[in-house]
Amino acid sequence: KQEVTQIPAALSVPEGENLVLNCSFTDSAIYNLQWFRQDPGKGLTSLLLIQSSQREQTSGRLNASLDKSSGRSTLYIAASQPGDSATYLCAVQGGSEKLVFGKGTKLTVNP
Amino acid sequence: DAGVTQSPTHLIKTRGQHVTLRCSPISGHKSVSWYQQVLGQGPQFIFQYYEKEERGRGNFPDRFSARQFPNYSSELNVNALLLGDSALYLCASSSAGGRPTTDTQYFGPGTRLTVL
Repeated sequence: KQEVTQIPAALSVPEGENLVLNCSFTDSAIYNLQWFRQDPGKGLTSLLLIQSSQREQTSGRLNASLDKSSGRSTLYIAASQPGDSATYLCAVQGGSEKLVFGKGTKLTVNP
Repeated sequence: DAGVTQSPTHLIKTRGQHVTLRCSPISGHKSVSWYQQVLGQGPQFIFQYYEKEERGRGNFPDRFSARQFPNYSSELNVNALLLGDSALYLCASSSAGGRPTTDTQYFGPGTRLTVL
């Protein structure tokens, strides 16, 4: 059974700091890994999708890496801004469309 | 273009009642998935439907059921509500056909269900 763990559970940083969020998964037989953003009480917004054959994906100030063999992914956020405050969720997809999510990292960026 | 829409936005029910949640996928998407997100947890997979057929089911009791209509919209039904069913119910749509995809899944805003 696939399990996804995200560390840390919460993170508070001053504006402008670079930061890294971590995600690990127990079964390396994944098809892809996705990072989502969730604002309080809202739905999920897809940030980055990394296919199992890829090592990283970049979008603006966001960079996600994937090491499938070790079951790890990181989300790097450069020059953080207060608007980045949200919960960030990591999810893996195996042999179907089903996504298995971690519990998320709640990020607070202080002005 | 409209994204995934869900109704109602909020719902309050009492234990033992029944609830129906609705989801309309992005135009052209034929696959719909349902997730339950309890406060402080990540979303948990409930069902996936493609072309009106169930393609996947998570570890939820038979009180949970769903269906997909010819226009690809979907309903999630929960019978005999329990306090523990209080959660945000999320619907996602994609262009894939029940198989892993390089395309992302698009999530709706969710329905907040409170069971008293």
